[in-house]
Amino acid sequence: GENVEQHPSTLSVQEGDSAVIKCTYSDSASNYFPWYKQELGKRPQLIIDIRSNVGEKKDQRIAVTLNKTAKHFSLHITETQPEDSAVYFCAASNQRSGAGSYQLTFGKGTKLSVIP
Amino acid sequence: DGGITQSPKYLFRKEGQNVTLSCEQNLNHDAMYWYRQDPGQGLRLIYYSQIVNDFQKGDIAEGYSVSREKKESFPLTVTSAQKNPTAFYLCASSSIGEPFNSGANVLTFGAGSRLTVL
Repeated sequence: GENVEQHPSTLSVQEGDSAVIKCTYSDSASNYFPWYKQELGKRPQLIIDIRSNVGEKKDQRIAVTLNKTAKHFSLHITETQPEDSAVYFCAASNQRSGAGSYQLTFGKGTKLSVIP
Repeated sequence: DGGITQSPKYLFRKEGQNVTLSCEQNLNHDAMYWYRQDPGQGLRLIYYSQIVNDFQKGDIAEGYSVSREKKESFPLTVTSAQKNPTAFYLCASSSIGEPFNSGANVLTFGAGSRLTVL
């Protein structure tokens, strides 16, 4: 089965600096890579996702890059703000046409703290 | 509240007792999932269901059972056979669509249920 490794487990940055979280996956057939953000005491919510037919996707201050050859993908947050403080989870799955729903394998999470 | 409701929010159980966690969604999603969240362990899949009256085991199904009698409902029973049941349980749902379609298969999570075994 799929195995997703996520690093670092904790990350502290000064407000305004950039933050990078990295994940590696084991199954070369995986083709969908979402990132979820979980603020303290709240439910995880999707913040950005990327599919294997693109190498990079950006949405305002967040971006995700994918290297299929090396089997790793990263979340980049620029100009960090205190409200970015949360636990971030990466995930991977193999979505196949007609296969119905799918199983996401999650990384263990990164606790990001943005220091004002 | 996001269209997916879990209850109860907090639950205490004595050892040897079964407990059932409720999950209801009004998003008309075909697929529903149960995850367990432990500190430093990420989200681990317990069971998932794509259609009424059908479900599949996830990575850590031992000691748990589910049912899917209605599209809107996917209750999880934590049985006495689960050796370490104290955890935070998250239910999620998603539509089922073709890969690469925007919005298809994105998980919507409930607010979670925290189970403590005394």
